[in-house]
Amino acid sequence: NAGVTQTPKFQVLKTGQSMTLQCAQDMNHEYMSWYRQDPGMGLRLIHYSVGAGITDQGEVPNGYNVSRSTTEDFPLRLLSAAPSQTSVYFCASSRSPGDYGYTFGSGTRLTVV
Amino acid sequence: GENVEQHPSTLSVQEGDSAVIKCTYSDSASNYFPWYKQELGKRPQLIIDIRSNVGEKKDQRIAVTLNKTAKHFSLHITETQPEDSAVYFCAATSYNNNDMRFGAGTRLTVKP
Repeated sequence: NAGVTQTPKFQVLKTGQSMTLQCAQDMNHEYMSWYRQDPGMGLRLIHYSVGAGITDQGEVPNGYNVSRSTTEDFPLRLLSAAPSQTSVYFCASSRSPGDYGYTFGSGTRLTVV
Repeated sequence: GENVEQHPSTLSVQEGDSAVIKCTYSDSASNYFPWYKQELGKRPQLIIDIRSNVGEKKDQRIAVTLNKTAKHFSLHITETQPEDSAVYFCAATSYNNNDMRFGAGTRLTVKP
């Protein structure tokens, strides 16, 4: 049981480049989400999904896309990276976030230059 | 939407002392309040949670209290140890709400 697996761990992008952050979980959780963590601002929700084929926006969705084709995978796409997207990104999953809390992945540190 | 405020932003205590971190929330519908610990360079991990049907919950040296009327909840760590040094986050949500909001975090340093 690997839990929540994120790749890559580190990434440097140039402004305007695109990339996909991968997230997979093996706990059969219906709920998955992406957060970004910036100093002094805690964790802010980007997008979330309550099941395969269902996604919705969180607090800071602009500049990011998601899809959920399977229960296990929830990739986050940056279409045209900007320096403001420099952050640490965490994927999280839960059986029910309002009842059991989250299991987080190990994070991706992204730098956009 | 929900807004969670957390204080203090930094907290330094001597080993063996107690530490208290406080959070307030804005949405009276919130009924689930987890706390996460994040060690340097690591992922946040759930350490304790409380639901609105109870006022206090304990797990060894950590406890959480909830005041629904005042809309605030607190994390209490007793007999602190150096390994308690980390950033602690509070959060609030409700059972049917998929948007969990986090506080900005408290950096706790326990001095040996």
